[in-house]
Amino acid sequence: DGGITQSPKYLFRKEGQNVTLSCEQNLNHDAMYWYRQDPGQGLRLIYYSQIVNDFQKGDIAEGYSVSREKKESFPLTVTSAQKNPTAFYLCASRSTHTGIYEQYFGPGTRLTVT
Amino acid sequence: EDKVVQSPLSLVVHEGDTVTLNCSYEVTNFRSLLWYKQEKKAPTFLFMLTSSGIEKKSGRLSSILDKKELFSILNITATQTGDSAVYLCAVLENSGNTPLVFGKGTRLSVIA
Repeated sequence: DGGITQSPKYLFRKEGQNVTLSCEQNLNHDAMYWYRQDPGQGLRLIYYSQIVNDFQKGDIAEGYSVSREKKESFPLTVTSAQKNPTAFYLCASRSTHTGIYEQYFGPGTRLTVT
Repeated sequence: EDKVVQSPLSLVVHEGDTVTLNCSYEVTNFRSLLWYKQEKKAPTFLFMLTSSGIEKKSGRLSSILDKKELFSILNITATQTGDSAVYLCAVLENSGNTPLVFGKGTRLSVIA
């Protein structure tokens, strides 16, 4: 079964702790994305990567970090510098071939920081 | 300033009603517009529109793009409670390798 997996589904952390969210895809997609979703805010782009060992900041990258060591994996670390980390985090991937623009999403991780 | 604006932000209708959701955009080098449906978890793909005036249809859902006026509509006829979801509009600009730009979504609630 091809798709995107995110783990864990729910995550609880204390303030001041870093936490890493996992995202794995077996769709052979070059491009991967991390979004944050808050109520009434739609999807806001945190980081994205078009190719292994390269990534770019999105609109709200402050307090987050990523790595792209393998094509299949794009983990997101929420650092203690992120002021309001409680949110729903979605990972997505997409082919970079011309004309194929549909973006596939993982099931999401709901992070709660207290 | 938001590049993709959806309206209304929320909507409550009764089963059987027809609804129209709107998405306007302002981007340079428009490439494509996509509609997604999001229930509890991951958004699922509905339509991709690239050319003006060509309606895409899937069951009771249909969508059309107007590249001159820079908007798209998503129609749902004979709504059912299962249509309750957040509907997201996203636009792709430039080379096609850039990330999608999402609107804030329209929350549709269909009541029996």
